[in-house]
Amino acid sequence: NAGVTQTPKFRILKIGQSMTLQCAQDMNHNYMYWYRQDPGMGLKLIYYSVGAGITDKGEVPNGYNVSRSTTEDFPLRLELAAPSQTSVYFCASRGTSGNYEQYFGPGTRLTVT
Amino acid sequence: AQRVTQPEKLLSVFKGAPVELKCNYSYSGSPELFWYVQYSRQRLQLLLRHISRESIKGFTADLNKGETSFHLKKPFAQEEDSAMYYCALGYGQNFVFGPGTRLSVLP
Repeated sequence: NAGVTQTPKFRILKIGQSMTLQCAQDMNHNYMYWYRQDPGMGLKLIYYSVGAGITDKGEVPNGYNVSRSTTEDFPLRLELAAPSQTSVYFCASRGTSGNYEQYFGPGTRLTVT
Repeated sequence: AQRVTQPEKLLSVFKGAPVELKCNYSYSGSPELFWYVQYSRQRLQLLLRHISRESIKGFTADLNKGETSFHLKKPFAQEEDSAMYYCALGYGQNFVFGPGTRLSVLP
């Protein structure tokens, strides 16, 4: 199993540009999460999904959109990139067995200038 | 609101010394607490969870509901323990992470 994969690893955007961060998992997990990690800070939840077709906002959803058309994929969309969105983005997934363990992707480092 | 605090941003100890990474939480229900670790150039991974009451890589953590704490301890630190450590609270479908503590074990 590849686990949780994320693409790209790095990206530099200009203000106002848009992009999609890809996340995929091959563990048949229902729950998927997007976090951002700012320097010196903990992870903040952006959006999460409890299954295909179901998404919900986390702590910091403004400026982002998500979709969950399949169990495997959970892309994160930035429509109008702003410098405040410069961060490292982590995707995670977990099963529904009552075990809260989340499996994390390697992260995407995004810089908006 | 649910919150996790880790008061130390950086903790430096010498090899062989005991180490304790502090974590406090605020949550009115029954907490699910975890420690995650991120070694250099690696992804975040689960170190241990309170419900399993296990010892991983010599680390243990005890949930103290009275003090709302979940401190991570190891009696003899090793250089390979140097990493970022995050305390996390799970509730419902959500997770809250603390800001993290960077542990540096000096030779």
